[in-house]
Parts: sequence; structure tokens; C-alpha cells
Amino acid sequence: QLHLQESGPGLMKPSETLSLTCTVSGGSISNSSDSWVWIRQSPGKAMEWIGNVFSSGSTYYNPSLKSRVTMSVDTSKNQFSLNLKSLTAADTAIYYCAREGGGSTPVTYFDSWGQGTLVTVSS
Amino acid sequence: DIRLTQSPSSLSASVGDRVTFTCRASQNIRNNLNWYQHKPGKAPRLLIYAASSLQSGVPSRFSGSGTGADFTLTITSLQREDGAIYYCQQSFSRNTFGQGSKLEIK
Repeated sequence: QLHLQESGPGLMKPSETLSLTCTVSGGSISNSSDSWVWIRQSPGKAMEWIGNVFSSGSTYYNPSLKSRVTMSVDTSKNQFSLNLKSLTAADTAIYYCAREGGGSTPVTYFDSWGQGTLVTVSS
Repeated sequence: DIRLTQSPSSLSASVGDRVTFTCRASQNIRNNLNWYQHKPGKAPRLLIYAASSLQSGVPSRFSGSGTGADFTLTITSLQREDGAIYYCQQSFSRNTFGQGSKLEIK
């Protein structure tokens, strides 16, 4: 059973850079058929996909956040990370890490999630 | 981006009832539609993928149907532990989510 756990600061100031880490246990992050994603949910809004990172280091970001996002993977620690720069109050959200898989189907889905970590951006 | 509209936004039902949620996409997404259950403070749980395939370990009272732009999630014989928010998500183009449907058990 795959387990994902987010970690990082809960309170940030505007203009700062957020750094979050997701630690994966119960499986290897190096499985080439999977990718690892960050998703967030701001108060009262729908969940928002932030981007994907593959074990190779390749990334794919939501165009609406692309200019501020960097994702990376550390296979030696079985972790992947999110950096989000130039924070504003609009970045206040619960941030989730997840695995995107597809198994034998061409449809992809998020089949394992962390519990989420609340990040508040406030001066 | 592809917009997903879920209805109803909230629903109250009793143990043993049958409930149905709908998710409408702003364009044809074939069968690239997944359903999740989310309880506050917990990790979201994948229920249905590819519109109608039941994720391993999910009770058979959950089922999904639809293709194109209209999809449904049905829960038969409702259990108390089914109280949660249910989200649809499309993976056809740049993953997006619906706003969610909250299910309260009376």
C-alpha cells in the first residue's frame, strides 16, 4: 500500500518561495510508468492540478502556474518536491501530493494521495 | 481549460438509499473521467476511473457510467461511512476537477 506524506511550512509571507516535499513509502518513486503530481485546493474553489514530475526528472506544469513552479524528484530519498515562487494570498490552499497512474488503460488518474498540508500566505 | 460541472452541490440521504451524482464536461472527453471520495482531513480516494472502472478495493455499491460529456456516479445501498464530498476529474486535457458534491447521511 503506497503512502504519501506532504511536509513543509504552514505559514508563508507574500513574495516568498514555498517549498514542499512529498515522501513516498510502500513503493518506489522510480517506477517509470508513474508520475508524481501536486494538486491544491484553495478555500471555496475546485481542486487545481499544479503539475507532474517523472522519475526521470521530466516535468509538465499547469500553464496557469508554469512561470512560478518548479518540481523535482530525489529517487535516493523516494521524495519529490514543489517550489512555488512569488507567493500571494491567492496561493493559500491545501496542497496535496499524489501519484498519477494509468495501469493498463490509456486513461490516467490519481490513485494514491497524501492527506494534504495547509499553506497560508499572509503578511 | 475543460470545465466540469457537478450536480447537485449537496445532497442528504438515508442509509440504504440510492444516490446519483452527475458531472458534465464542457466538451467531449471520451471516457477520461475519474471519481474521488474525500473526507475532511483525509487523503482523497479514487473510486472510479475511466468513467466506469471500479478501483481495486472499492465496494461494488459504487458505480460509474457515461461517455463524451455526461457522466454519473451512483451509490446503491448507502452506508453511513459514505458521507463525504465526491469529485469528478478529467484527464483528457490538463487535468481539471469539478467543484464537488457533498453527501450528508441523515
